[in-house]
Amino acid sequence: QKEVEQDPGPLSVPEGAIVSLNCTYSNSAFQYFMWYRQYSRKGPELLMYTYSSGNKEDGRFTAQVDKSSKYISLFIRDSQPSDSATYLCAMSMEYGNKLVFGAGTILRVKS
Amino acid sequence: EADIYQTPRYLVIGTGKKITLECSQTMGHDKMYWYQQDPGMELHLIHYSYGVNSTEKGDLSSESTVSRIRTEHFPLTLESARPSHTSQYLCASSAFRAGQETQYFGPGTRLLVL
Repeated sequence: QKEVEQDPGPLSVPEGAIVSLNCTYSNSAFQYFMWYRQYSRKGPELLMYTYSSGNKEDGRFTAQVDKSSKYISLFIRDSQPSDSATYLCAMSMEYGNKLVFGAGTILRVKS
Repeated sequence: EADIYQTPRYLVIGTGKKITLECSQTMGHDKMYWYQQDPGMELHLIHYSYGVNSTEKGDLSSESTVSRIRTEHFPLTLESARPSHTSQYLCASSAFRAGQETQYFGPGTRLLVL
């Protein structure tokens, strides 16, 4: 069983929709949670970084962590065609420790 | 945009050839990483370095080797390429700022071994 599970999609939504992307994980020792965005033919770039449970908001993006359910989410409000990319969740057990990545969800926002 | 560079971007090579994938960063980061990424699969850490003359193997077994003679440079070498090495290779470096560690990725090298 993979440590981090992520639905590969693709997820297709109309422009302006609210998008919910999710990951589940099995190791309760994970403390730090990240979302990366990867455009085609590019390397991933960090979008959101959260520690432990709770919410974090940055513009149109909200990251949510529920450690009791071992479930993390990324919400994108007012989605734009430029949001079309692969979204990877990642997590680590300790600060500065190695990251474990999900396989990524492909998101397509149609104009 | 992160100042981390990888060359070549694409490489098609025959079995048995020796290849070196280059990675350099101008941000002065001590920590650097090599990941392997196949379509629809997780990024797998194959090597990492915490600084000059420090290299460690990652979680995914790899026949490649790395070196870290200079802070800014972290090349990956395959002594004898095989079709099973066909993949995308991503290099990253990381920095600690404002209570979080951010990994900055290069654009990747797509390797095809025939």
